[in-house]
Amino acid sequence: SAVISQKPSRDICQRGTSLTIQCQVDSQVTMMFWYRQQPGQSLTLIATANQGSEATYESGFVIDKFPISRPNLTFSTLTVSNMSPEDSSIYLCSVLASGRLGETQYFGPGTRLLVL
Amino acid sequence: ELKVEQNPLFLSMQEGKNYTIYCNYSTTSDRLYWYRQDPGKSLESLFVLLSNGAVKQEGRLMASLDTKARLSTLHITAAVHDLSATYFCAVDPGVGETSGSRLTFGEGTQLTVNP
Repeated sequence: SAVISQKPSRDICQRGTSLTIQCQVDSQVTMMFWYRQQPGQSLTLIATANQGSEATYESGFVIDKFPISRPNLTFSTLTVSNMSPEDSSIYLCSVLASGRLGETQYFGPGTRLLVL
Repeated sequence: ELKVEQNPLFLSMQEGKNYTIYCNYSTTSDRLYWYRQDPGKSLESLFVLLSNGAVKQEGRLMASLDTKARLSTLHITAAVHDLSATYFCAVDPGVGETSGSRLTFGEGTQLTVNP
C-alpha cells in the first residue's frame, strides 16, 4: 500500500488567484493521479502524472488551468490557476500501488478548496 | 465514453438487514474497484475485482463482478451502524500498461444504517 499526504488540507482563496497543492507519497510510484470531487458528487479524473513525462489531461481539463509537476517518484503538485467559485471542490491525489487487496489506487486525504 | 451507474444513490436500512448495491457500466472492462468514503474523509479501498466471476468478501461486505453483464454488486449482510458511509464503484477500461489508471467512478451510494 501507500501512505499519501497532501498540503494544504484546506484553503479559502479569492477569485483570480492560484493555489498549488502538494502530494507526497511514502514510496516510489510510477503513476500518480489528480481528481476533483465537487461537494456531494463523485470523483472526476483531472490528469495522470507520470515522472519524466508531461501530464495527460482528461477531456474538459487543460494544462493552462491545471498545470501539474512530477519532479520525482514520490511527489507531485497540482496548481489551480485563475480560480473562480466553480473551482470550489475537494482535490485528491492518488497513486497506483500494490497492497493487501492487489494493485489499486490509494488516495490522499484531499485538499478542500473554497473560492470566494 | 464510459458511463458507470450505481443504484440506489441513497439507501437507508435497519441494522441487521441485508441489501445489495448495484454498479452497471457501459463498456468492456474486467477491472472494477469498490471504495468507501466517510464524511469529510478520503477514499478507502475495499475490493479489487479483476476477472469475470470474481467474488471477494471482507466482513459483512461481499463484492462480485459479472463482466458479461457489465455489472458488479456490493452485498451487505446484517448491516451495522459502522457501515454507514458512501460507497463508490470505479471501472478501469485499460489494458496492459494502462490498467489501473484512468478510473471512471460511479455516482456513489450513500448508505445510512439505523439502529
